[in-house]
Formats: sequence, C-alpha cells, structure tokens
Amino acid sequence: DQQVKQNSPSLSVQEGRISILNCDYTNSMFDYFLWYKKYPAEGPTFLISISSIKDKNEDGRFTVFLNKSAKHLSLHIVPSQPGDSAVYFCAAYLSGTYKYIFGTGTRLKVLA
Amino acid sequence: DAGVIQSPRHEVTEMGQEVTLRCKPISGHNSLFWYRQTMMRGLELLIYFNNNVPIDDSGMPEDRFSAKMPNASFSTLKIQPSEPRDSAVYFCASSPGGMDSNYGYTFGSGTRLTVV
Repeated sequence: DQQVKQNSPSLSVQEGRISILNCDYTNSMFDYFLWYKKYPAEGPTFLISISSIKDKNEDGRFTVFLNKSAKHLSLHIVPSQPGDSAVYFCAAYLSGTYKYIFGTGTRLKVLA
Repeated sequence: DAGVIQSPRHEVTEMGQEVTLRCKPISGHNSLFWYRQTMMRGLELLIYFNNNVPIDDSGMPEDRFSAKMPNASFSTLKIQPSEPRDSAVYFCASSPGGMDSNYGYTFGSGTRLTVV
C-alpha cells in the first residue's frame, strides 16, 4: 500500500521550459514534505521542503506547491536546465512516526 | 564533514552467500536509517536506529536480513543467505533529529548489491 505515489515514472522537458513533477499522498495527517534529487551512482540529496501549514515554498528555480484538499504535492523547476536531469523523490513525514515515506521517483530528462 | 560513508560501493555475490553492508553516519547524528531502492517500490525503509537502538525493523523483508549498530559511528546490514531477489541498491542515511523530528536525511552513496 503506497501512501506516497509518484504516478509518472519519467518526464522529458526541453531546456528553458518548466518541469512539473507530481506527487500524491493518502494520509491527510502528514505534516511535512520533502523533495530529494538523485543522480546515478549517488545517494539522494535534499532539494526543498514544505510544511503542511503552508501551500508554497520557493528556493531559486525550485518551487513546491501543496494542495492539502487534493492531497497533492508538486515541484516546479523554472527554467529547466540539463543539470536538473535526475530522479526526483517526494517524501512525507508524520510526526511521531520518526520516518519519511518515499514515493517511487520520477526520472526527469532535460533536453538541450 | 565526509558525509555518510557506505562500503562497499558494489558487491557481487553468489546466491546463498552472506553479505555485509557497512555504514558510518555523520558524527553527531543520532538517527540512522537503512533503505533499499528498487524500481517497483522506490525507497523502502528497512530499519531505523535512534541512539544506536533499533526502533523499528518492520521493513526488514524476512529473517535473512539483520542489522546492528554497535556504536554511534558504525552500522551493518547483513543478508544471510542472500538470494537473487535481494539485488538492489541499499542506502544508509543519518539525521540529527530525534524520534519526533522533521529533519531531512543525509544519504550515503549506496551499495549496489547483485546476487547471481
């Protein structure tokens, strides 16, 4: 039973355009969300986070949007660059459970 | 800070052999996690340690898997006997947070295990 779902296994975007990566979750009690980026042969690295009390968090080219009513999270990358090509994981945290639950990942390819 | 260090980076072993994966967390981090990455299930949490104590091992697939953390700077994940379906990338991660924390994790580079 996947509590965090990334339904698009892959996404291709032209350089300079917007990349939108989506994530859905089932537990409305999750109170913190993170996005991780993973390059081949490396471990995932933290990218951006958002608390459940907010609906948007921005960091440079990266913005995360949270729609709690839809239980939906999205990561926007504008403008996309070839170096953004990686696998992106969303993760959700429930206070008291001490652990993040990760999605299956979306492979983003930014075409030059 | 060298980050989370995992060894070996790659491991190829024959079915039935014992495999031991190693992890050195970031100094001062009191939480340590072992994850397994597969195409079908993404990143699965296998076990979580807090202050060297195993807190939740419900993600460990079966009795063939075991993990230890004898001190704050070292942990092992052992598979005995190994099977081809254990082939995956195994990540160790550490965090400065305690049990009720929303700190993100720092991951190691992973160990790619292939069981033939």
